[in-house]
Amino acid sequence: ETGVTQTPRHLVMGMTNKKSLKCEQHLGHNAMYWYKQSAKKPLELMFVYSLEERVENNSVPSRFSPECPNSSHLFLHLHTLQPEDSALYLCASSQEQTQYFGPGTRLLVL
Amino acid sequence: DQQVKQNSPSLSVQEGRISILNCDYTNSMFDYFLWYKKYPAEGPTFLISISSIKDKNEDGRFTVFLNKSAKHLSLHIVPSQPGDSAVYFCAASEWGNFNKFYFGSGTKLNVKP
Repeated sequence: ETGVTQTPRHLVMGMTNKKSLKCEQHLGHNAMYWYKQSAKKPLELMFVYSLEERVENNSVPSRFSPECPNSSHLFLHLHTLQPEDSALYLCASSQEQTQYFGPGTRLLVL
Repeated sequence: DQQVKQNSPSLSVQEGRISILNCDYTNSMFDYFLWYKKYPAEGPTFLISISSIKDKNEDGRFTVFLNKSAKHLSLHIVPSQPGDSAVYFCAASEWGNFNKFYFGSGTKLNVKP
């Protein structure tokens, strides 16, 4: 299934910029997730929304701010990021035990 | 501390042979395990899963084995094909707590023609 889309696919931003990542799922799932994948590291769970309520926040710095306006859309608002925040940001959705991932946004912070 | 580990960052296999990818976990509460496959520039795609009530699950060329006492699972691909070349991630969770999955760091499989 390829029902999870993410935009933009690539993003370059300066440390003073504000940008947003968008995720949309067309699978009718009731949970959505943000993950960060850095090179040669496991996927790090950042945020979980279940039925549009945030249920998990894995000690993520406040410069990352999620928003889930409805069950189909998830945003990750970025501001004053650091170079070490450069990574692949993956969105996923699930109904129960299997997560379906989007293609990711490759973020570079200069 | 990493609760799911894939100790082999890469694996190279000849086409037609068996590929065996390994995964270890530390949390005995995990009872649901998944394998994902990831091509470059794409998100991970679900491949196969197994719950702790089973020790084997098969889907075509892919078989996952679970050894609960050793806290170890493996993915067997037989026969391997060049199109299987990708990064494979294992993941674990507690059944019912699907808000929290723990992923390994991945193994890059290269299947040589």
